[in-house]
Amino acid sequence: DTAVSQTPKYLVTQMGNDKSIKCEQNLGHDTMYWYKQDSKKFLKIMFSYNNKELIINETVPNRFSPKSPDKAHLNLHINSLELGDSAVYFCASSHFGSVSYNEQFFGPGTRLTVL
Amino acid sequence: GESVGLHLPTLSVQEGDNSIINCAYSNSASDYFIWYKQESGKGPQFIIDIRSNMDKRQGQRVTVLLNKTVKHLSLQIAATQPGDSAVYFCAETLMDSSYKLIFGSGTRLLVRP
Repeated sequence: DTAVSQTPKYLVTQMGNDKSIKCEQNLGHDTMYWYKQDSKKFLKIMFSYNNKELIINETVPNRFSPKSPDKAHLNLHINSLELGDSAVYFCASSHFGSVSYNEQFFGPGTRLTVL
Repeated sequence: GESVGLHLPTLSVQEGDNSIINCAYSNSASDYFIWYKQESGKGPQFIIDIRSNMDKRQGQRVTVLLNKTVKHLSLQIAATQPGDSAVYFCAETLMDSSYKLIFGSGTRLLVRP
């Protein structure tokens, strides 16, 4: 059973386009995250939602807009894509304040390539 | 194919040997630390965690050591196996309301058969 799933797995697009990445978790978690992993494998938090409310919003261009329609979904929409947006984007989820403090379960990633 | 991570620090060990992966964390106020394993083409996977009130925690074949004085974490893997080959990340956070993980830069572990 897939715990955290993302679609699509690969996304190749032209500069200037708008694209969305979807994430769903079936773990019953109440907190979801988006991370960006660059070409050097550096992993950085972008956003976090708890019960559909934004709780972490790092210094990310406002071309990136997360949307959480419900606790099980956190989508990432990117406007006017730039070359520097090329990366692997990971979704993750966790229980807010769980006993296993902040064990985050990661999705398989979406590799975005902007041409 | 994947061309990322070519400049990651790499630890190469013989199968069966013990591995030690080190990590320096940035915030002296961080009070919770996690090690993640990332295999090629997959997302990071939780390995083991430790709170700042401990200096050692053991799991199955893995041990995490925490030295708060020098802001240093290490992950020890006993009897390293080919399946342990991956990139390993440490992450730190504060037990506050944000639950924001700050990841280290990663170390690639290569296990030689």
